Order: sequence, then structure tokens, then C-alpha cells
Amino acid sequence: TQLLEQSPQFLSIQEGENLTVYCNSSSVFSSLQWYRQEPGEGPVLLVTVVTGGEVKKLKRLTFQFGDARKDSSLHITAAQPGDTGLYLCAGASMAHGSGNTGKLIFGQGTTLQVKP
Amino acid sequence: NAGVMQNPRHLVRRRGQEARLRCSPMKGHSHVYWYRQLPEEGLKFMVYLQKENIIDESGMPKERFSAEFPKEGPSILRIQQVVRGDSAAYFCASSPGGAGYGYTFGSGTRLTVV
Repeated sequence: TQLLEQSPQFLSIQEGENLTVYCNSSSVFSSLQWYRQEPGEGPVLLVTVVTGGEVKKLKRLTFQFGDARKDSSLHITAAQPGDTGLYLCAGASMAHGSGNTGKLIFGQGTTLQVKP
Repeated sequence: NAGVMQNPRHLVRRRGQEARLRCSPMKGHSHVYWYRQLPEEGLKFMVYLQKENIIDESGMPKERFSAEFPKEGPSILRIQQVVRGDSAAYFCASSPGGAGYGYTFGSGTRLTVV
């Protein structure tokens, strides 16, 4: 069974601080995605990383895929109250070969609260 | 350019009744996924469907749960004889190909069993 472990589970910080969320597994994934979910809504895709060692930036968010494609991190610089939400990492299984496999395996999420 | 449409948003059922959850995928998307989410938990995979085919139902409980994605119309997740433990948020997602393309999620159906 493939599992993704996210840490920390909860994070409460002041506006302007930096933070990093980690997503780890013993399994290799063909790609890894990060989503953000607000209360009462479905998750929204932030980024997909595919290549081992890949780094992608989205404004103040930096995403990295581990060299071995087993782990990923999300770093937020100068967090703002609008960043508050549940952050989910999700891995696309390698079980059916590379590329377009079926389901995503989700981590349990990191709840981020940014206080003004 | 509507996204993934789920209805109803909220559904209350008494124990023993049936619940039907509907999902219309994003235009151009032929892959549909159903996930279940409990409070303060991540999303648990239930089933992956393409038109008229169940591709992977490894996350579906063996009894009472079924899913379909007919040639015409929305995908349906059906829960028969609901129990209190079925109370959760059920999310549908669609993609144009497999998981590697990323999912577009609907807003979910919150099922409450009383």
C-alpha cells in the first residue's frame, strides 16, 4: 500500500513568517501534486512536479520534488492570511507504468493558519 | 466553462435510506474519480471510472456502495442502506487523462446520516 505522510499536520504562524510543509513516502511516484482546500470546498490544484529534483515556483510558493521521486516539499515565503487553508500532497502511482496512471494517493493534509 | 458539478451540496438521509450523489465532469474530461473525506483527514480514494467502465474500484466498500458513469449523463455514486458511519464529504474529480494531468474537483456533497 502506498502512503504519503505529511508534516506537520497543523501549523499556526504569524503573517510574514516563512514555513515548509513536507510530504514523504517510501514509494516512488510518477508525479506529485499539491492542492489547497478551503473549508466547504473541493481541493484546487496548485502544481504538478514530474522530474526528480524539479523545483517550481508559484509567486511566494516553492515546490520541490525529491531526487528519488519519493518526497516533496512546499515552502511559503512571507505567509499571508490568505494562505490559510488545508494543503494536500498527492502522488500518482507508478503501478501502471510512467505517466498517465489512474488514481492519486493523498496525504492527510497540513492545516495552515496564518494570523494577521 | 463550468467546472466539475456535484449535486446535491448537502444531503440528509435517515439510516437505511439510499443516497445518490451526482457528478458531471468538466467539459472534455472523460476520467472521473470519487473520494471520501472525513473531518481533519485527507482524501480517501473510492473509485475511478471512464465512460461506461469501472477502471479501479479498490477503495469502494464491498457492500452497499456502487458507482457508474453512463454513456450519457452524470456519474452516480450510490450508497444503499446508509449508516451513521457513511456521514462524510464525498468529492468527485475529473481529468482529461490519467492522474498525471491533475484533477479538477467539484465542491463536494456533504452527506449526513441521522
